[in-house]
Amino acid sequence: ETGVTQTPRHLVMGMTNKKSLKCEQHLGHNAMYWYKQSAKKPLELMFVYNFKEQTENNSVPSRFSPECPNSSHLFLHLHTLQPEDSALYLCASSLPGLQPQHFGDGTRLSIL
Amino acid sequence: GESVGLHLPTLSVQEGDNSIINCAYSNSASDYFIWYKQESGKGPQFIIDIRSNMDKRQGQRVTVLLNKTVKHLSLQIAATQPGDSAVYFCAEKGTSYDKVIFGPGTSLSVIP
Repeated sequence: ETGVTQTPRHLVMGMTNKKSLKCEQHLGHNAMYWYKQSAKKPLELMFVYNFKEQTENNSVPSRFSPECPNSSHLFLHLHTLQPEDSALYLCASSLPGLQPQHFGDGTRLSIL
Repeated sequence: GESVGLHLPTLSVQEGDNSIINCAYSNSASDYFIWYKQESGKGPQFIIDIRSNMDKRQGQRVTVLLNKTVKHLSLQIAATQPGDSAVYFCAEKGTSYDKVIFGPGTSLSVIP
């Protein structure tokens, strides 16, 4: 039990589909993050939310659309993805300041 | 630019031996350093952290050493066990910036 739960764990979709990834944390954290993890590459930060406000968009294409309705939930809406978007998408949360991020186990996304 | 890198991409150790995983960072403004362990099919798991006002911090079977002079961080695992086999990431963060910067990771294999 990581404290950060991501669903679904696996997702296969076509390039024209629309799907959403969900992340939920009950650790009392106020910051939430989306990362992309591709093979043999460092973790890539995509989005950061602090107290439900987006504070970072790391030049992510508009086919990825985040949503943070409250400090416990984070979504990543996917639309018209490309094959190179196939990766592990990780959600994390943290307290403010010099504190570690806690990660979920990710959603393994495959684009056909 | 900012970068966090690992000296060795792969490391194999005999069960029972000590493991040392190294990390170099380039941002002098970093105040906080974290080690994560990622097992296959799971998200990164927090192991231990250290702030820049410390040189050494110990946990259960793990020790992190920080050498600010040469911008070097290491993770020592005592009496390495098969369950320690995973990819280990170092990460850095500074009070002047909100991002956590991750290194590329070192794969640790424990030989029974």
